[in-house]
Amino acid sequence: DAGVIQSPRHEVTEMGQEVTLRCKPISGHDYLFWYRQTMMRGLELLIYFNNNVPIDDSGMPEDRFSAKMPNASFSTLKIQPSEPRDSAVYFCASSLAVAGGPSYEQYFGPGTRLTVT
Amino acid sequence: GQNIDQPTEMTATEGAIVQINCTYQTSGFNGLFWYQQQAGEAPTFLSYNVLDGLEEKGRFSSFLSRSKGYSYLLLKELQMKDSASYLCAVRDGNYQLIWGAGTKLIIKP
Repeated sequence: DAGVIQSPRHEVTEMGQEVTLRCKPISGHDYLFWYRQTMMRGLELLIYFNNNVPIDDSGMPEDRFSAKMPNASFSTLKIQPSEPRDSAVYFCASSLAVAGGPSYEQYFGPGTRLTVT
Repeated sequence: GQNIDQPTEMTATEGAIVQINCTYQTSGFNGLFWYQQQAGEAPTFLSYNVLDGLEEKGRFSSFLSRSKGYSYLLLKELQMKDSASYLCAVRDGNYQLIWGAGTKLIIKP
């Protein structure tokens, strides 16, 4: 299996621009998670989906952030407009479902390093 | 609120044993996880505890005490490649994963 695939791996953009991050989960996985990691705040869950449906988006920092999962094999995280404080590594992860919830093991993609200048 | 506490940084010697502690306070409990994150890479799963006691997996062991809200990750026969950050995470009553800030482990020859 190819694992979780994320693109782009690196993104440098100017403040005010729209940024779209992409994720392809592992085939057959029921859950998809978007995380943000910074030195200051560590790993933060932004939103997660179950069977393409958003379950909890309470971690999304503000309205500038939006996420979609149009089908089981693709998800996007969009930031519009971007700000310098959005600079971070964004991880996508996926997992199977077990007993009504996500499996204990999440598989992470390689991450997208976003720099907003 | 919910929180996970673990030391920010630890240093150990190659070949030795190190214990990384994690304490947690969450609304409900559905398991505790340890992940390893090498510098510049994604976290990878190490272990899972849902019942009290010790789970051993090769050089790594993880312990859980639910009554104390406490876990530790024990690494034996340390190797230089074990230098990484170790993240403790707890799944709460709503199956949400709450993540600790991670412990950076530095291994010296």
